[in-house]
Amino acid sequence: QSALTQPASLSGSPGQSITISCTGTSSDVGSFNRVSWFQQHPGKAPKLMIYEDTQRPSGVSNRFSGSKSGNTASLTISGLQAEDEADYFCCSFAYPFAWVFGGGTKVTVL
Amino acid sequence: EVYMVASGGGLVQPGGSLRLSCAASGFTFSGSHLNWVRQTPGKGLEWISYIGSGFNIHYSDSVKGRFTISRDNARNSLYLEMNSLRTEDSAVYYCAADRDWAFIIWGQGTVVTVSP
Repeated sequence: QSALTQPASLSGSPGQSITISCTGTSSDVGSFNRVSWFQQHPGKAPKLMIYEDTQRPSGVSNRFSGSKSGNTASLTISGLQAEDEADYFCCSFAYPFAWVFGGGTKVTVL
Repeated sequence: EVYMVASGGGLVQPGGSLRLSCAASGFTFSGSHLNWVRQTPGKGLEWISYIGSGFNIHYSDSVKGRFTISRDNARNSLYLEMNSLRTEDSAVYYCAADRDWAFIIWGQGTVVTVSP
């Protein structure tokens, strides 16, 4: 399975909104409602932010939201804050049985 | 407190072997699906193996035939036996529990370096 495609970097000012895209294929992103998003700070393990395309785990800020259209999923961060500066990875379950990740997007808060 | 802690990483020569362990606590280990995921600066995150609560097992093509995943529910522990190691296996290895097809709990990583 090939990796999912994400932009390498995005930036925004505090209070702004940014959207990270994640493009896959009909064998992964487009086949299942099983896209998840992770936040990773340097030296730390990834943290789940969104699962099943749009669901937010307990404890994750409602400033984070997920969506999907066809083979492209998106993560939107609203009201950008300094603590949101991190790497973000998308992930999808893929046919027949695997998970594939995106290459990661470095988010910078200006 | 919910946690997973991976250990057993280190420096090994190409062709060598290593066994990773992952200790877990704070959740129903026996009923959980468990995975190994690795991360390199160049290739990013890569899922490599899964063992379900029913002991069904899957591997990525990159490690199939070389790595073996196992679990000991009595010890709340997950393992990864790695054989025929290659330089491209060098990475930070994470253990992770999945639910609803997402990795909900991640352990701290353990570093594996494969080098002559």
